[in-house]
Amino acid sequence: DVKVTQSSRYLVKRTGEKVFLECVQDMDHENMFWYRQDPGLGLRLIYFSYDVKMKEKGDIPEGYSVSREKKERFSLILESASTSQTSMYLCASSRGGPNTEAFFGQGTRLTVV
Amino acid sequence: ELKVEQNPLFLSMQEGKNYTIYCNYSTTSDRLYWYRQDPGKSLESLFVLLSNGAVKQEGRLMASLDTKARLSTLHITAAVHDLSATYFCAVDLVSGSRLTFGEGTQLTVNP
Repeated sequence: DVKVTQSSRYLVKRTGEKVFLECVQDMDHENMFWYRQDPGLGLRLIYFSYDVKMKEKGDIPEGYSVSREKKERFSLILESASTSQTSMYLCASSRGGPNTEAFFGQGTRLTVV
Repeated sequence: ELKVEQNPLFLSMQEGKNYTIYCNYSTTSDRLYWYRQDPGKSLESLFVLLSNGAVKQEGRLMASLDTKARLSTLHITAAVHDLSATYFCAVDLVSGSRLTFGEGTQLTVNP
Protein backbone atom coordinates (compact mmCIF):
# COMPACT_ATOMS: atom_id res chain seq x y z
CA ASP A 1 0.00 0.00 0.00
CA VAL A 2 1.06 3.55 -0.69
CA LYS A 3 1.93 5.40 2.41
CA VAL A 4 2.10 9.17 2.67
CA THR A 5 3.17 10.37 6.07
CA GLN A 6 2.94 13.90 7.39
CA SER A 7 5.19 14.76 10.29
CA SER A 8 2.51 16.19 12.59
CA ARG A 9 -1.23 15.74 13.07
CA TYR A 10 -1.65 18.94 15.07
CA LEU A 11 0.50 22.04 15.32
CA VAL A 12 0.08 25.32 17.15
CA LYS A 13 2.37 28.16 16.15
CA ARG A 14 2.63 31.84 16.88
CA THR A 15 2.14 34.61 14.36
CA GLY A 16 5.42 35.43 12.62
CA GLU A 17 7.03 32.05 13.23
CA LYS A 18 8.60 30.10 10.40
CA VAL A 19 6.77 26.80 10.10
CA PHE A 20 7.85 23.60 8.38
CA LEU A 21 5.40 20.89 7.39
CA GLU A 22 7.05 17.68 6.26
CA CYS A 23 5.69 14.96 4.02
CA VAL A 24 7.26 11.65 3.09
CA GLN A 25 5.99 9.02 0.62
CA ASP A 26 7.33 5.51 0.28
CA MET A 27 6.19 4.48 -3.21
CA ASP A 28 8.73 6.25 -5.38
CA HIS A 29 6.08 8.61 -6.79
CA GLU A 30 7.23 11.37 -9.07
CA ASN A 31 4.54 13.89 -8.15
CA MET A 32 3.90 15.46 -4.79
CA PHE A 33 1.36 18.08 -3.76
CA TRP A 34 0.40 20.34 -0.90
CA TYR A 35 -3.25 21.33 -0.46
CA ARG A 36 -5.05 23.27 2.18
CA GLN A 37 -8.62 22.53 3.09
CA ASP A 38 -10.98 25.07 4.61
CA PRO A 39 -14.72 24.81 5.31
CA GLY A 40 -16.72 25.98 2.31
CA LEU A 41 -13.65 26.33 0.11
CA GLY A 42 -12.81 22.70 -0.58
CA LEU A 43 -9.24 21.65 -1.39
CA ARG A 44 -6.97 24.29 -2.84
CA LEU A 45 -3.59 23.52 -4.31
CA ILE A 46 -0.68 25.46 -2.83
CA TYR A 47 2.36 23.98 -4.58
CA PHE A 48 3.29 20.82 -6.40
CA SER A 49 6.40 19.13 -7.67
CA TYR A 50 7.03 16.78 -10.58
CA ASP A 51 10.57 15.90 -9.71
CA VAL A 52 13.36 16.50 -7.28
CA LYS A 53 14.25 20.18 -7.00
CA MET A 54 11.28 21.10 -9.20
CA LYS A 55 8.32 23.09 -7.96
CA GLU A 56 5.27 24.66 -9.48
CA LYS A 57 2.88 27.18 -8.00
CA GLY A 58 -0.66 26.08 -7.48
CA ASP A 59 -3.70 28.27 -6.97
CA ILE A 60 -2.75 29.89 -3.66
CA PRO A 61 1.04 29.99 -3.28
CA GLU A 62 1.27 33.37 -1.55
CA GLY A 63 2.88 33.13 1.87
CA TYR A 64 4.23 29.64 1.23
CA SER A 65 7.31 28.04 -0.23
CA VAL A 66 8.33 24.42 -0.76
CA SER A 67 11.40 22.28 -0.91
CA ARG A 68 12.01 18.94 -2.57
CA GLU A 69 15.60 17.86 -2.10
CA LYS A 70 14.83 14.14 -2.22
CA LYS A 71 12.23 12.31 -4.27
CA GLU A 72 10.36 10.96 -1.27
CA ARG A 73 10.17 14.18 0.73
CA PHE A 74 8.22 17.37 0.08
CA SER A 75 8.27 20.18 2.61
CA LEU A 76 5.88 23.10 2.90
CA ILE A 77 7.27 26.24 4.50
CA LEU A 78 5.30 29.11 5.95
CA GLU A 79 7.86 31.89 5.94
CA SER A 80 6.04 34.03 8.51
CA ALA A 81 2.91 32.37 9.80
CA SER A 82 -0.28 34.38 9.96
CA THR A 83 -3.68 33.62 11.48
CA SER A 84 -5.12 33.36 7.94
CA GLN A 85 -2.97 30.28 7.46
CA THR A 86 -4.81 28.38 10.16
CA SER A 87 -6.10 25.40 8.21
CA MET A 88 -5.91 21.68 7.50
CA TYR A 89 -2.92 20.91 5.29
CA LEU A 90 -2.93 17.79 3.16
CA CYS A 91 0.04 16.30 1.35
CA ALA A 92 -0.47 13.93 -1.56
CA SER A 93 1.61 11.98 -4.03
CA SER A 94 0.95 10.34 -7.38
CA ARG A 95 2.78 8.35 -9.97
CA GLY A 96 3.56 10.03 -13.28
CA GLY A 97 1.66 8.72 -16.29
CA PRO A 98 -1.98 8.31 -17.38
CA ASN A 99 -3.30 7.34 -13.96
CA THR A 100 -2.84 10.34 -11.74
CA GLU A 101 -4.66 8.96 -8.73
CA ALA A 102 -3.39 10.86 -5.74
CA PHE A 103 -2.77 9.31 -2.33
CA PHE A 104 -3.12 11.52 0.69
CA GLY A 105 -1.40 11.79 4.01
CA GLN A 106 -3.35 12.00 7.25
CA GLY A 107 -3.35 15.80 7.30
CA THR A 108 -1.87 18.42 9.60
CA ARG A 109 -4.21 20.74 11.41
CA LEU A 110 -2.27 23.96 11.90
CA THR A 111 -3.44 26.68 14.24
CA VAL A 112 -1.66 30.03 14.17
CA VAL A 113 -2.30 32.17 17.24
CA GLU B 1 -9.41 27.19 -16.36
CA LEU B 2 -10.83 23.87 -15.26
CA LYS B 3 -13.86 24.09 -13.00
CA VAL B 4 -15.34 21.11 -11.21
CA GLU B 5 -18.79 21.38 -9.69
CA GLN B 6 -20.62 18.90 -7.52
CA ASN B 7 -24.32 18.69 -6.92
CA PRO B 8 -25.73 18.60 -4.32
CA LEU B 9 -23.31 20.01 -1.77
CA PHE B 10 -25.34 18.67 1.13
CA LEU B 11 -27.39 15.51 1.09
CA SER B 12 -29.42 14.04 3.90
CA MET B 13 -31.01 10.71 3.18
CA GLN B 14 -32.64 7.82 4.95
CA GLU B 15 -31.15 4.40 5.24
CA GLY B 16 -32.28 2.10 2.46
CA LYS B 17 -32.81 4.87 -0.10
CA ASN B 18 -31.00 5.45 -3.37
CA TYR B 19 -29.44 8.68 -4.53
CA THR B 20 -26.96 10.10 -7.02
CA ILE B 21 -24.23 12.70 -6.64
CA TYR B 22 -23.26 14.57 -9.78
CA CYS B 23 -19.89 15.93 -10.81
CA ASN B 24 -19.64 18.29 -13.79
CA TYR B 25 -16.43 19.65 -15.17
CA SER B 26 -15.74 22.39 -17.65
CA THR B 27 -12.95 21.12 -19.91
CA THR B 28 -12.42 17.89 -21.79
CA SER B 29 -10.78 15.22 -19.69
CA ASP B 30 -10.98 11.45 -19.50
CA ARG B 31 -9.54 11.03 -16.03
CA LEU B 32 -11.77 11.42 -13.03
CA TYR B 33 -11.40 10.30 -9.43
CA TRP B 34 -13.74 9.94 -6.48
CA TYR B 35 -12.58 10.31 -2.88
CA ARG B 36 -14.20 9.90 0.50
CA GLN B 37 -13.37 11.96 3.57
CA ASP B 38 -14.58 11.16 7.09
CA PRO B 39 -14.78 14.03 9.60
CA GLY B 40 -11.34 15.08 10.79
CA LYS B 41 -9.66 12.56 8.52
CA SER B 42 -7.81 12.66 5.23
CA LEU B 43 -9.03 11.67 1.78
CA GLU B 44 -9.38 8.04 0.80
CA SER B 45 -9.42 7.03 -2.85
CA LEU B 46 -12.67 5.32 -3.93
CA PHE B 47 -12.73 5.10 -7.72
CA VAL B 48 -10.46 5.78 -10.66
CA LEU B 49 -12.24 6.37 -13.99
CA LEU B 50 -9.90 6.61 -16.95
CA SER B 51 -12.06 6.41 -20.05
CA ASN B 52 -15.42 7.37 -21.48
CA GLY B 53 -18.10 4.97 -20.31
CA ALA B 54 -16.03 3.66 -17.42
CA VAL B 55 -18.11 2.20 -14.62
CA LYS B 56 -16.76 1.04 -11.27
CA GLN B 57 -18.64 -0.48 -8.36
CA GLU B 58 -17.68 -1.14 -4.78
CA GLY B 59 -20.36 -2.31 -2.39
CA ARG B 60 -23.25 0.17 -2.39
CA LEU B 61 -21.39 2.75 -4.46
CA MET B 62 -21.15 2.89 -8.23
CA ALA B 63 -19.31 5.54 -10.23
CA SER B 64 -19.53 6.27 -13.94
CA LEU B 65 -17.95 8.66 -16.39
CA ASP B 66 -19.39 10.30 -19.52
CA THR B 67 -16.58 12.35 -21.03
CA LYS B 68 -18.76 13.75 -23.82
CA ALA B 69 -21.18 15.22 -21.29
CA ARG B 70 -18.27 16.06 -18.95
CA LEU B 71 -20.20 14.36 -16.19
CA SER B 72 -19.52 11.73 -13.59
CA THR B 73 -22.05 10.25 -11.23
CA LEU B 74 -21.69 8.51 -7.90
CA HIS B 75 -24.74 6.39 -7.24
CA ILE B 76 -25.61 5.19 -3.77
CA THR B 77 -27.80 2.11 -3.47
CA ALA B 78 -29.69 1.28 -0.28
CA ALA B 79 -27.72 3.72 1.82
CA VAL B 80 -26.43 2.74 5.24
CA HIS B 81 -25.20 4.97 8.06
CA ASP B 82 -21.56 3.99 7.45
CA LEU B 83 -21.66 5.83 4.14
CA SER B 84 -22.00 9.16 5.92
CA ALA B 85 -18.96 11.20 4.82
CA THR B 86 -17.94 13.92 2.40
CA TYR B 87 -17.39 12.78 -1.17
CA PHE B 88 -15.13 14.61 -3.58
CA CYS B 89 -14.64 14.23 -7.29
CA ALA B 90 -11.40 15.36 -8.93
CA VAL B 91 -10.34 15.83 -12.53
CA ASP B 92 -7.07 16.42 -14.29
CA LEU B 93 -6.44 17.85 -17.73
CA VAL B 94 -3.08 16.47 -18.60
CA SER B 95 -1.74 13.07 -17.81
CA GLY B 96 0.47 13.23 -14.79
CA SER B 97 -0.60 16.68 -13.76
CA ARG B 98 -2.42 18.18 -10.84
CA LEU B 99 -5.96 17.34 -9.80
CA THR B 100 -8.72 19.91 -9.49
CA PHE B 101 -11.31 19.04 -6.87
CA GLY B 102 -15.01 19.69 -6.64
CA GLU B 103 -16.40 21.38 -3.54
CA GLY B 104 -17.39 18.11 -1.97
CA THR B 105 -20.80 16.60 -1.15
CA GLN B 106 -21.51 16.13 2.53
CA LEU B 107 -23.66 13.02 2.84
CA THR B 108 -25.58 12.18 5.99
CA VAL B 109 -27.46 8.90 6.15
CA ASN B 110 -30.08 8.84 8.87
CA PRO B 111 -31.42 5.66 10.50
